[in-house]
Amino acid sequence: NAGVTQTPKFQVLKTGQSMTLQCAQDMNHNSMYWYRQDPGMGLRLIYYSASEGTTDKGEVPNGYNVSRLNKREFSLRLESAAPSQTSVYFCASSRTGTNPHEQFFGPGTRLTVL
Amino acid sequence: GQQLNQSPQSMFIQEGEDVSMNCTSSSIFNTWLWYKQDPGEGPVLLIALYKAGELTSNGRLTAQFGITRKDSFLNISASIPSDVGIYFCAGQEFGTDKLIFGTGTRLQVFP
Repeated sequence: NAGVTQTPKFQVLKTGQSMTLQCAQDMNHNSMYWYRQDPGMGLRLIYYSASEGTTDKGEVPNGYNVSRLNKREFSLRLESAAPSQTSVYFCASSRTGTNPHEQFFGPGTRLTVL
Repeated sequence: GQQLNQSPQSMFIQEGEDVSMNCTSSSIFNTWLWYKQDPGEGPVLLIALYKAGELTSNGRLTAQFGITRKDSFLNISASIPSDVGIYFCAGQEFGTDKLIFGTGTRLQVFP
């Protein structure tokens, strides 16, 4: 099992450009998440999906859109990138329902917006 | 948004020393989790705690779920160089699948 995979690993964008970050998991998990990590801020939830076909906003959703393509895949789109979106982005997945709610993370995408 | 108060922010210790870090919250949590992040990698789950008062070990790591449900601590005994990284606590509130993360404790171990 590959676990949670993310592409690309690194990306540099110019202000105003768009891009999609891809995430896939092979653990048959129902829930998937997108976080951003900034220095000294820990992990902040952007969007999450409790099941295929559903998505909900997290703590910092502005400037992002998501698509839960199927049970395996959850993508994050930046329509018009801004320098404030320079960050490391992590995708995670977990089972839904009663305990445990352990989330498993991908290796991250390091995004720089110039 | 809510974040957990995690302390200390950073620690510089010598190999062989024991380490202790903790997280506190104003909210009651259903689950406490501890993650470790190596440089350039995603967080990896170390220990999960599900009951108030629960004490769980994973090798040299021991974590406890506070009785009040508002705090947790992680101890690392006899530290080694590969313990270097950032340690995050995370809490899961009742009725949600979402986790709230602490700001992390950066650990450096010197030989």
